[in-house]
Amino acid sequence: GQQLNQSPQSMFIQEGEDVSMNCTSSSIFNTWLWYKQEPGEGPVLLIALYKAGELTSNGRLTAQFGITRKDSFLNISASIPSDVGIYFCAGLIQGAQKLVFGQGTRLTINP
Amino acid sequence: GAVVSQHPSWVICKSGTSVKIECRSLDFQATTMFWYRQFPKQSLMLMATSNEGSKATYEQGVEKDKFLINHASLTLSTLTVTSAHPEDSSFYICSATRTNSPHYEQYFGPGTRLTVT
Repeated sequence: GQQLNQSPQSMFIQEGEDVSMNCTSSSIFNTWLWYKQEPGEGPVLLIALYKAGELTSNGRLTAQFGITRKDSFLNISASIPSDVGIYFCAGLIQGAQKLVFGQGTRLTINP
Repeated sequence: GAVVSQHPSWVICKSGTSVKIECRSLDFQATTMFWYRQFPKQSLMLMATSNEGSKATYEQGVEKDKFLINHASLTLSTLTVTSAHPEDSSFYICSATRTNSPHYEQYFGPGTRLTVT
C-alpha cells in the first residue's frame, strides 16, 4: 500500500531558527496536507496543496507540492515556542478519500 | 469554518461495559466521517470510514462487532466500543470531510481519551 516517509522524526532547535521537514513516497498523490498536533488534541490542518509545484504560505509556514507529485516539504520560519508539537504530512491519491499519513515530526524548541 | 467536536473528551469505564463517543461537524455537513485510533508517540491509524446512511467500512483487523459505528445524519457519527477491555484504552479521533468538497480534506475533532480499568 501507499506509504509516506516523513523526516526528520524529531527536531530540537533554538527559538528563532527556521525548520524544514519533508515527506516522500513512491506513489503519486493528488493532494498533500500538513497537520499539526499538540498533546492531547486532534490534528489541525495547516496547509493544503492541490497542484504539482504549488507553493502555499500560511503565516510563517510555507509548504510545497513536489513537481513529481511524490513529495512535499513544510518550512517554518523564525520558530516560536508555540510551534512545539508534532507535524504530520498526509496525502490523498486520485479518487480516494482515505488519507495516508507520515510518521510525524516532533518539534521541540529551546527558548 | 470546518469545526469538528467530540464528546466526551475523556472517559473512564470498567471492563465489560460499552462506551459511546460522538463526533459532530458543527458548521458544515459531512457525508463522510472517519474514525482513527492513536497510540502514544505514533501516527494515526484509520479504523473505519463512516458514510451517512450506510454501513461503515472497516479497515483490515478492526472488529466491526466491537467498534460499532453509526452515521445517522450529515453532522453526527458515533463510535461505540462494546465490551471494552484494557487493551481498548487509547486516544480515539474522528475527522470529517465536507459534503461536495472536491478535495476531501479531513478536519479532525479534538479526540477522546478512553481508559478501561
